[in-house]
Order: sequence, then structure tokens, then C-alpha cells
Amino acid sequence: DVKVTQSSRYLVKRTGEKVFLECVQDMDHENMFWYRQDPGLGLRLIYFSYDVKMKEKGDIPEGYSVSREKKERFSLILESASTNQTSMYLCASSESGTGAKSPLHFGNGTRLTVT
Amino acid sequence: GQSLEQPSEVTAVEGAIVQINCTYQTSGFYGLSWYQQHDGGAPTFLSYNALDGLEETGRFSSFLSRSDSYGYLLLQELQMKDSASYFCAVRDNQAGTALIFGKGTTLSVSS
Repeated sequence: DVKVTQSSRYLVKRTGEKVFLECVQDMDHENMFWYRQDPGLGLRLIYFSYDVKMKEKGDIPEGYSVSREKKERFSLILESASTNQTSMYLCASSESGTGAKSPLHFGNGTRLTVT
Repeated sequence: GQSLEQPSEVTAVEGAIVQINCTYQTSGFYGLSWYQQHDGGAPTFLSYNALDGLEETGRFSSFLSRSDSYGYLLLQELQMKDSASYFCAVRDNQAGTALIFGKGTTLSVSS
């Protein structure tokens, strides 16, 4: 089974801090994704990467950056955390290709609270 | 851009059949996916339709009509454990790899 591991389940940070959310997958997947999930808004795509050192903006990239130095690891960085970034953050990975051949496999999420 | 519409809540009783609809607007189309998420858990893949018609996987089926930009997830013989959120999703045309999700439908199954 694919395993996507997010480093923290719960995280509390202060406004203005630089925050790193880490994600590791063990299936040699090419694609990795960061979503945030908020009540009533579903999952919104922040950034994704289809290869090492490659990144693409999603729908809501403002205030975030990402890093993918190794294939198995994809980091989400909040440059200066703000209270409106309090959310559940979900990392996912998939094989290259589309459709059922490459469903997304999600981690269990990191619930970030910014105070 | 892409947009997906699905009902926010659906309620049903054990043993019943429920249909969760999804309409989408996309600049391109690479298939409609469905994901299930239990409270506190990670979303998990349920089904995928690239072509028109019905795909069946056990108690769950998914349907797609590309001409109507419409699909649905059909859950039969409902069980309490089916209580969860269900998301439809389409591939982002520009990216080709990322999924854009609907806001989700919360299904509550009662006895």
C-alpha cells in the first residue's frame, strides 16, 4: 500500500512565524500535491509538483511556497504565518498519468492553528 | 477555470439507495473522480469515469454524461459506515495532473 506520511498531526504556531509542513511518500510517485481543507470549502489546491525541483501553483498559492529537493519529499512553507492560514493541510501523491491509473493517495493531514 | 457543484448534505437510512450528483464546468475534461472521507480521516479514492456510462464497484457505482457535464455517485444498500463526506473531482486542464475538488457532500446514514 502507498503510504503518505505527514510529519505532524497537530501544529500550533504564532503569527509571523515561518512554518514548515513536511510530507513523505514511499511509492516513488512522480506527482505530489498540497491541499488545504476548510469547512464548507472542500479541498483547495495550493501547490503541486510533477518532478523533483519542479513546482506549479494551484488555486490559492498566496502566502505559501514549496520545496521538492528529493522525489519522495514535498514540503509546504508558510513564509509568515497568519491566522487565516489556520486550516487542515493535506498532502497527496500520485503516479504520472491520468484517471484511475493515478488516483491521489492522501496523508492523514496536519491541523495547523496560527494564534 | 474549473468549478464543480454538488449538494452539501444528504441524509438516508440504512439499506436505502442514495445518489450524489455533481455538475462541472471545465475548459477541458480528463475524467470525473470520486473520493470518500470519513470524519478525521484522509480522502480515499472511490471511482473514476473517463467515458459516458456507469462504472460499478460493489455497492458503489459512478455515472458520467460528458454532454451534460454531469455525473453522480450511487450508493446502494447503505450502511452506517457509509456516513462520510464525498467529493467529486476533475483534472485541472492546465496542469493535467492536479485534481480540482468540489466542496463535498456530507452523507448521514441513520438506522
